[in-house]
Amino acid sequence: DVKVTQSSRYLVKRTGEKVFLECVQDMDHENMFWYRQDPGLGLRLIYFSYDVKMKEKGDIPEGYSVSREKKERFSLILESASTNQTSMYLCASSSLTSANTEAFFGQGTRLTVV
Amino acid sequence: DQQVKQNSPSLSVQEGRISILNCDYTNSMFDYFLWYKKYPAEGPTFLISISSIKDKNEDGRFTVFLNKSAKHLSLHIVPSQPGDSAVYFCAASNNYGQNFVFGPGTRLSVLP
Repeated sequence: DVKVTQSSRYLVKRTGEKVFLECVQDMDHENMFWYRQDPGLGLRLIYFSYDVKMKEKGDIPEGYSVSREKKERFSLILESASTNQTSMYLCASSSLTSANTEAFFGQGTRLTVV
Repeated sequence: DQQVKQNSPSLSVQEGRISILNCDYTNSMFDYFLWYKKYPAEGPTFLISISSIKDKNEDGRFTVFLNKSAKHLSLHIVPSQPGDSAVYFCAASNNYGQNFVFGPGTRLSVLP
């Protein structure tokens, strides 16, 4: 079974702090994604990566950056956390070489910025 | 502008009856459609999908219908069970899974 693991289930950070959210997948997937989920807005794409050291902006990249130094790991960085970044963050991965494939999600990180 | 829409934020159904969740999309380049189920404080889990070359896909109690001309798909759950109570997200994809676009979700409540 595909496993996508996020480093924390719950995080509380202070405004202005630098925050790192880590994600690891064990299925050798090329694609990795970071989404945030907010009520009524669904899942919105922040960044995605289709290869090591490659990154593409999603729909809401402002205030975020990402790092992919190894194929299995994709990190989301909040450079200076703000209260409007309080949200559920979801990491996902998918195969680039298989057509009609699904994205597999981690368990999510509930981030609260105070 | 939302490319994937789920116009019903919530739906309540009696146990044993049919649940029908609807989804509309605007981008005709989408060629693969998925439904995910999400419980609180967990990540979404894949439920069922359909390719644009089909109009129906069935997996046990779950059936997805696709009407390409109307850019509309629906998920049918028969019979509905209390454990089906969750938020359901519709998603659309193209280009070998490099882009999954999600709708806002529909919260399904199955009443015993």
